[in-house]
Amino acid sequence: EAQLVESGGGLVQPGGSLRLSCAASGFTSSSYAMSWVRQAPGRGLEWVSGISKSGNKYDVDSVKGRFTISRDNSKNTLYLQMSSLRAEDTAVYFCAKGYTTYDGVFDIWGHGTLVTVS
Amino acid sequence: EIVLTQSPATLSLSPGERATLSCRASQSINYYLTWYQQKPGQAPRLLIYDASSRATGIPTRFSGGGSGTDFTLTISSLEPEDFAVYYCQQRANWPLTFGPGTKVDIK
Repeated sequence: EAQLVESGGGLVQPGGSLRLSCAASGFTSSSYAMSWVRQAPGRGLEWVSGISKSGNKYDVDSVKGRFTISRDNSKNTLYLQMSSLRAEDTAVYFCAKGYTTYDGVFDIWGHGTLVTVS
Repeated sequence: EIVLTQSPATLSLSPGERATLSCRASQSINYYLTWYQQKPGQAPRLLIYDASSRATGIPTRFSGGGSGTDFTLTISSLEPEDFAVYYCQQRANWPLTFGPGTKVDIK
């Protein structure tokens, strides 16, 4: 069964850094596009960063220059390196797997990891 | 950035009733529209992709339609487990964007 498990969230001060991890099992994550999507407390979903199967990377403007998405194929793991964190980055961060060959459609999601910037 | 608006914000219905949710894009997105369902404390669940294609395992009571800028998600007869928040999302352009959501609650 395909599964994603995020880790690395926690409490960090404004201006600090954090690295989120997303371990994939039951499938080879390098064969799919992968993304990070966040949800602030009581709010809607916001796509943050994505990486295509070929390695192209995309970010929402609000995190450009501060967040970096990457993947370690040998560990079947996706990462989000976050720096210069702001209060408005406080959210549950989900990683999500692309649906077959469809970039931007997500069929498997992790349970999320909470990042609190305060 | 493509902005998605959803209406209504809240839909109060009874089990067995038909639900019709709308999503409008700020510019044409062809058919590149996805619908997700989210329940409290859970991750989103993929329902419909490319406007009208049901994802694997999604019941036939869920259907999607539309193209260009106007889309709908229809739940033909609400089951108790369908009361949740529904989000639309476009993949026509980067950055990917989500609508603000429609909450379907029990009347």
